[in-house]
Amino acid sequence: ETGVTQTPRHLVMGMTNKKSLKCEQHLGHNAMYWYKQSAKKPLELMFVYNFKEQTENNSVPSRFSPECPNSSHLFLHLHTLQPEDSALYLCASSQDGGRQETQYFGPGTRLLVL
Amino acid sequence: KQEVTQIPAALSVPEGENLVLNCSFTDSAIYNLQWFRQDPGKGLTSLLLIQSSQREQTSGRLNASLDKSSGRSTLYIAASQPGDSATYLCAVLNTGTASKLTFGTGTRLQVTL
Repeated sequence: ETGVTQTPRHLVMGMTNKKSLKCEQHLGHNAMYWYKQSAKKPLELMFVYNFKEQTENNSVPSRFSPECPNSSHLFLHLHTLQPEDSALYLCASSQDGGRQETQYFGPGTRLLVL
Repeated sequence: KQEVTQIPAALSVPEGENLVLNCSFTDSAIYNLQWFRQDPGKGLTSLLLIQSSQREQTSGRLNASLDKSSGRSTLYIAASQPGDSATYLCAVLNTGTASKLTFGTGTRLQVTL
């Protein structure tokens, strides 16, 4: 276990549904990340939060809405998704978002959009 | 735009063999390079992090090298074991970006008995 948990582990949703992914880290870190891992594509950074403030939005469509209420929790709110959004969504955390830090990853949420 | 390539995409070796995984990147202006391991259905585990000023890092049976000028890194695994079976990902952090890692697509390794 890396100290980063994600729920749910699996999610199936229709294109008109609204759902949320949750990430929690128990490492005392101040930076948290959302990544998308699609089949046969490199892992893509979506969002970065540092001390609860969003510091990076990697041109992610607005149907993905992140929320970081505190340094330990990160959410990804999903609405009106498309089938091509089906992927493994990974959360990660690091100490302060600095360059020399290792990122610690959660197990991911496997999302299927029908 | 940084691009990271990993070759081969898949590799199967018998237990006990030494093996090398390759990673190449197009922009040599990197701050560091990391190797991760991903088991099926699980997240990533960091294996080794090499700063741009370093040439190699070692952890147990793993040794990672970095040649920044040529845009290459290798991950050497000695005396492979079935438990080493996983996907290995290489990622680089470019200078000028605080925390945006660029990942390769990975090498899927299977170590057979």
